[in-house]
Amino acid sequence: ILNVEQSPQSLHVQEGDSTNFTCSFPSSNFYALHWYRWETAKSPEALFVMTLNGDEKKKGRISATLNTKEGYSYLYIKGSQPEDSATYLCAFPSGNTGKLIFGQGTTLQVKP
Amino acid sequence: DTEVTQTPKHLVMGMTNKKSLKCEQHMGHRAMYWYKQKAKKPPELMFVYSYEKLSINESVPSRFSPECPNSSLLNLHLHALQPEDSALYLCASSHGGGSNQPQHFGDGTRLSIL
Repeated sequence: ILNVEQSPQSLHVQEGDSTNFTCSFPSSNFYALHWYRWETAKSPEALFVMTLNGDEKKKGRISATLNTKEGYSYLYIKGSQPEDSATYLCAFPSGNTGKLIFGQGTTLQVKP
Repeated sequence: DTEVTQTPKHLVMGMTNKKSLKCEQHMGHRAMYWYKQKAKKPPELMFVYSYEKLSINESVPSRFSPECPNSSLLNLHLHALQPEDSALYLCASSHGGGSNQPQHFGDGTRLSIL
């Protein structure tokens, strides 16, 4: 059974704070690591798909890094805004089949 | 707005009813997925269709029956469901079925079994 773990489970920050959270995944049989943002009452939205060890991807104020040797990825949000409030899910593909194993998610609340 | 459209948004049905969930995408994606999501849990994969053929069935009970009539449509036929089947059902699609393809999700159908 593949284990994908995210920490912390929830996070409350003030507007303007920078924050980061972690996704841990198996370091063997690595194909890719996905990050999704899921706002309440909306559909999950793909943020990044990371495939190379040491890779860093950026989308606006959000960035992610990847360490496949030790099995972790960090997601960073710089200068959090209330609209960043959402659950952030990482997902680890089980083989090259499209089957994703999701972590439990980190729920971020940004207070104005 | 999501490019994956799911209908209906909400569905309430009795345990003896037969109903269907529908999912449609026009992005030319060739892989489509059904997920089940219970409150405060991550989505769990149910089925994967790749090039209109069922490629993964995650040991889902036969009271759930998927169908892919063409590359743009995905249905989930429901019959004799149990109260524990109440959940959010998400459809997703991706360009291909590979692990490096981001999945595009619909808004989901909120299903309640009486």
